[in-house]
Amino acid sequence: ETGVTQSPTHLIKTRGQQVTLRCSSQSGHNTVSWYQQALGQGPQFIFQYYREEENGRGNFPPRFSGLQFPNYSSELNVNALELDDSALYLCASSRSIGTDLPSHTFGSGTRLTVV
Amino acid sequence: DQQVKQNSPSLSVQEGRISILNCDYTNSMFDYFLWYKKYPAEGPTFLISISSIKDKNEDGRFTVFLNKSAKHLSLHIVPSQPGDSAVYFCAAIGAGDQKLVFGQGTRLTINP
Repeated sequence: ETGVTQSPTHLIKTRGQQVTLRCSSQSGHNTVSWYQQALGQGPQFIFQYYREEENGRGNFPPRFSGLQFPNYSSELNVNALELDDSALYLCASSRSIGTDLPSHTFGSGTRLTVV
Repeated sequence: DQQVKQNSPSLSVQEGRISILNCDYTNSMFDYFLWYKKYPAEGPTFLISISSIKDKNEDGRFTVFLNKSAKHLSLHIVPSQPGDSAVYFCAAIGAGDQKLVFGQGTRLTINP
């Protein structure tokens, strides 16, 4: 059983640029969620994808967008990068909606630095 | 609006002793509470959970206690081992939801 894989592991971007982060979900999981973890904070929910559609969104502006593909992998896109976007971005895959307690598996994250 | 709070940023415990990590929440609609452990350069890994209808769940050295009236939960690790040194996150999830709401984390250091 493969885990959650995220790429790249580290990334440095300039303010105003755009970035795409990628995530391969765990085998058997069909839901992907993205979280932003700022330094010294807990992960904050960005959004979730189920059946290739956004299914829930946290308090993040529209310049944060995503995709889910038929193989359940996902991308997180951030446009017009700001310095405050510097954080660890975590992807978590889980089973479909309706189970009692979703089993989330997290990837190791992508460390994004905006300069 | 911080719905899940971990008020202790760090905790230092002697090896072999009990570690107690605390977490408070404000949303009474949470259905499950979870603890995750995070090492540097790794993603959070699931440790133990508890349903809102229970008051205790035990798994080996780890026990989670839930006090619904106080909206408080705690994670007990006994005996503490050096490999337990990590950041611990308390998280909560609502019924039918898949969004985890995390606390700020507590850095646990186990001293030999």
